[in-house]
Amino acid sequence: GAGVSQTPSNKVTEKGKYVELRCDPISGHTALYWYRQSLGQGPEFLIYFQGTGAADDSGLPNDRFFAVRPEGSVSTLKIQRTERGDSAVYLCASSPTGRSEPQHFGDGTRLSIL
Amino acid sequence: DQQVKQNSPSLSVQEGRISILNCDYTNSMFDYFLWYKKYPAEGPTFLISISSIKDKNEDGRFTVFLNKSAKHLSLHIVPSQPGDSAVYFCAASGGGSQGNLIFGKGTKLSVKP
Repeated sequence: GAGVSQTPSNKVTEKGKYVELRCDPISGHTALYWYRQSLGQGPEFLIYFQGTGAADDSGLPNDRFFAVRPEGSVSTLKIQRTERGDSAVYLCASSPTGRSEPQHFGDGTRLSIL
Repeated sequence: DQQVKQNSPSLSVQEGRISILNCDYTNSMFDYFLWYKKYPAEGPTFLISISSIKDKNEDGRFTVFLNKSAKHLSLHIVPSQPGDSAVYFCAASGGGSQGNLIFGKGTKLSVKP
């Protein structure tokens, strides 16, 4: 497909479990972003990749959250020891260069921690 | 402390009339601003953007105005259509944020036939 693809679309798991969320950006986009959106809020920045490297991870809430982009394309957001407060929609976006340009979003993964 | 504020949670407009959505920001280093539209269960869709070197950008029915001295931007939709009903997010970048976007909380627009 031409757009940003995120899988799974929904994930329900128990507190304390480990989860992985996947993002497949638009082909050729070097910049990739992860955001988290809670109910009634706008998306909040988590981490930004330029190519394979994390250029800015200042939005990650704590060390239970980690993300990788080993080949500069697909990215995986990993959450360890999940807590109920982690429940949210996790959005991925990509853009061609990471400079002042529109970011294109996927439909997100709705994560529910029971 | 919110750097991007959308003070109106909701707005209702009659079909065919103008919709005006407002956004205020506090960080004077922001240099790029965007509007996104979001339908339920979908990701935000890019609508229109403006660089801080401009004060207006137009694309079809959508126009964004930027007032840097007031740290205010607005999105005008003319004429409004029922399909425009969605949540609209204002976002900003720059000032060392390395391109990541700072979003407002959104305004829910309802366009009534």
